[in-house]
Amino acid sequence: AQSVAQPEDQVNVAEGNPLTVKCTYSVSGNPYLFWYVQYPNRGLQFLLKYITGDNLVKGSYGFEAEFNKSQTSFHLKKPSALVSDSALYFCAVRDPGGGNKLTFGTGTQLKVEL
Amino acid sequence: NAGVTQTPKFRVLKTGQSMTLLCAQDMNHEYMYWYRQDPGMGLRLIHYSVGEGTTAKGEVPDGYNVSRLKKQNFLLGLESAAPSQTSVYFCASSYSGQYNEQFFGPGTRLTVL
Repeated sequence: AQSVAQPEDQVNVAEGNPLTVKCTYSVSGNPYLFWYVQYPNRGLQFLLKYITGDNLVKGSYGFEAEFNKSQTSFHLKKPSALVSDSALYFCAVRDPGGGNKLTFGTGTQLKVEL
Repeated sequence: NAGVTQTPKFRVLKTGQSMTLLCAQDMNHEYMYWYRQDPGMGLRLIHYSVGEGTTAKGEVPDGYNVSRLKKQNFLLGLESAAPSQTSVYFCASSYSGQYNEQFFGPGTRLTVL
């Protein structure tokens, strides 16, 4: 069965510094990977996805993610963090069993401080 | 467009009571999903639907039932609520096809006493 691991429950970064939120995955077949963000008391919002092609995927709000097949990783990055980026971030992998189902990681709380 | 909406936003039940959560989407999506979110566990799929009149079990279906009588609506029912079903419930929808992202509703916070 497919799975996603987000090894850090929380990541703290100073505003203006680069940020990385880590994600590793396990899936049979080609990986289709997604990042979502959840602000307090809100639903999840789609940030970006990797389907195929370029290993560096660009998404919303200046975020990007780097796909690394040999390390089975899909880390979320941003060159310069903002306080408004503080939120809960989820990595997900598509279930190869159909129905476009997703398996989510446990989430990483990002805190950006002044 | 309203996107994905959920009714109600909050609910408190007593053990053994029943209730139905309503999800509606106005994006003409074929697929719809119900998840629950619990602290430290991420989102777990309860049931999903790939079209009107069809439903299927997800990872944690026990204690829940669903129906999709209309393409735009997906109902989640709890027949006899238990404290273990205290959670935040999210509905999502997507176009068919294996690359499409899911769009999420704002969630329903359910407490079972």
